[in-house]
Amino acid sequence: QVTLKESGPVLVKPTETLTLTCTVSGFSLSNARMSVSWIRQPPGKALEWLAHIFSNDEKSYSTSLKSRLTISKDTSRSQVVLTMTNMDPVDTATYYCARVDTALVSYYYYYYMDVWGKGTTVTVSS
Amino acid sequence: DIQMTQSPSSLSASVGDRVTITCRASQSISNYLNWYQQKPGKAPKLLIYAASSLQSGVPSRFSGSGSGTDFTLTIISLQPEDFATYYCQQSYSTPWTFGQGTKVEIK
Repeated sequence: QVTLKESGPVLVKPTETLTLTCTVSGFSLSNARMSVSWIRQPPGKALEWLAHIFSNDEKSYSTSLKSRLTISKDTSRSQVVLTMTNMDPVDTATYYCARVDTALVSYYYYYYMDVWGKGTTVTVSS
Repeated sequence: DIQMTQSPSSLSASVGDRVTITCRASQSISNYLNWYQQKPGKAPKLLIYAASSLQSGVPSRFSGSGSGTDFTLTIISLQPEDFATYYCQQSYSTPWTFGQGTKVEIK
């Protein structure tokens, strides 16, 4: 059974750095087909994709948040870590990690987020 | 970045209705388009990938179509458990982006 579980602080102060950990099970982060994304959702608002790390350690970031985000993985511990610097109250949100699987359809590869963690809610307040 | 625009933002429908949600990309994304369903307080669930491929375990009343910039999610015969918010997401190029969501409410 594939699962992902987010962990990290519930409350952070403005200007602090947030560190979130996604612990995965049921698949390996070294599997070439598998990778992990982080997504967030402010209360009552839409999903926002944040960052992604592929099995080969290639990384990608949201354009608007790129300067504040770092994603990394520890394959041996089955963990993907996201850090976000200089937190602000507008960063209050539920943060999700999701497995990204790859499918071959008509000779082309497609990425999709097929298994999600339950999310962890982070509040930014002094 | 590729912008994804969904319409409508919300709709009211009855059980048994046929529902259509549209997603438009700011540039061609071929068929690199996924659809998700999210219920209140829950994580999103994958419904459709590659614009029209039904994810395993998803009921066949859900279908997706489109290519290029215009895509559609259709639910034939809406069921009580389908009342939720639906999001499209492009995986054509990073940064990946989501639409703003379409909330399907009970009429």
